[in-house]
Amino acid sequence: AQKVTQAQTEISVVEKEDVTLDCVYETRDTTYYLFWYKKPPSGELVFLIRRNSFDEQNEISGRYSWNFQKSTSSFNFTITASQVVDSAVYFCALSEAPGTASKLTFGTGTRLQVTL
Amino acid sequence: GAVVSQHPSWVICKSGTSVKIECRSLDFQATTMFWYRQFPKQSLMLMATSNEGSKATYEQGVEKDKFLINHASLTLSTLTVTSAHPEDSSFYICSARDPGTLYQETQYFGPGTRLLVL
Repeated sequence: AQKVTQAQTEISVVEKEDVTLDCVYETRDTTYYLFWYKKPPSGELVFLIRRNSFDEQNEISGRYSWNFQKSTSSFNFTITASQVVDSAVYFCALSEAPGTASKLTFGTGTRLQVTL
Repeated sequence: GAVVSQHPSWVICKSGTSVKIECRSLDFQATTMFWYRQFPKQSLMLMATSNEGSKATYEQGVEKDKFLINHASLTLSTLTVTSAHPEDSSFYICSARDPGTLYQETQYFGPGTRLLVL
């Protein structure tokens, strides 16, 4: 069975601080996808990134970066120089191998509060 | 990114009535859509997988006669909560699977529908 664990329920930081959101996953599949989604206070889930299991390259997109470590089954998300607009609930998710009707297994989310 | 809409965004109904929620992929065709339910301060729980032109696949513990799913076209799936009761009150979210190119598939989510059954 698949499982995604986001141990941090809530994180509060002051603007301009860096923050890392942890995600640990479990799966028996050898090929899978990992995702991060952002849910702003009053909005829908917004897709941030997809990472395929065979691609362990880390990725940077502006202030966002992701660290995929297959050896520790982790897919952590770092926001550099956080801003108030980053305040949201962030969900990590895992899905089955491609080519199937891939169901997403979500973590419980991490609520990030960025204050001035 | 791709856009998925849901309608209505919120609904209040009396116990015993049925409520239909629509999910549309606006700028791509989705052979597969998913319906989730989210309880307060909890994660999204997958209810069912909706496949265009065929029967939906329900997750364990989800009553298929209670939550009717129809995926009649490549851009529309509907969820009907039949004979709704207060315990059905929840936040229902749909997503649509954009297959993209090989190994690029992604689910895009609708804004959700808040259902309150009185």
